[in-house]
Amino acid sequence: RKEVEQDPGPFNVPEGATVAFNCTYSNSASQSFFWYRQDCRKEPKLLMSVYSSGNEDGRFTAQLNRASQYISLLIRDSKLSDSATYLCVVNPTGANNLFFGTGTRLTVIP
Amino acid sequence: DVKVTQSSRYLVKRTGEKVFLECVQDMDHENMFWYRQDPGLGLRLIYFSYDVKMKEKGDIPEGYSVSREKKERFSLILESASTNQTSMYLCASGGEGPETQYFGPGTRLLVL
Repeated sequence: RKEVEQDPGPFNVPEGATVAFNCTYSNSASQSFFWYRQDCRKEPKLLMSVYSSGNEDGRFTAQLNRASQYISLLIRDSKLSDSATYLCVVNPTGANNLFFGTGTRLTVIP
Repeated sequence: DVKVTQSSRYLVKRTGEKVFLECVQDMDHENMFWYRQDPGLGLRLIYFSYDVKMKEKGDIPEGYSVSREKKERFSLILESASTNQTSMYLCASGGEGPETQYFGPGTRLLVL
């Protein structure tokens, strides 16, 4: 079983829409969680960390559900510039190893 | 601003050639990582290093080796390249805490 699983999409949404991605992880003892963003032919970059209490950064909201072992990312009022692949990332051990999901591709359409 | 650079953006090699991919970071980070990224498989960790001359195997180390002679530089070596090593190779460096991991721009390697 993969450490991290996420729906590859693609998600095609109109500008202004709200879109949500989910991701599940297999190791119940996982320590920390992140969402990374990767633009086409570019490197992944940290979008936001995911905290147990949930956290928000502008139009982006991340949630963690430890009981069900999933994390989510909600994007409100989608912009064309949000088009990218969103990677769910889990740190299972507390060390610096990260496990990456395969990514969910989002295209925001004018 | 953190800077992680990789020696080449694109590389074409022949089967059996020895290939060196170099990564340099300017943030004095202890930890450095090599990943490969393939469609449908995501990023997979090949090797990482938490100090000079130290290395640890990741999930898919077979066919690869690494070298860390200086803190800022982490090299990935393909001793004898094979076609199944055609991939995007991403280097990352990080300090304390996993949220500090920063990636280089990647090297797209094609092995013919």
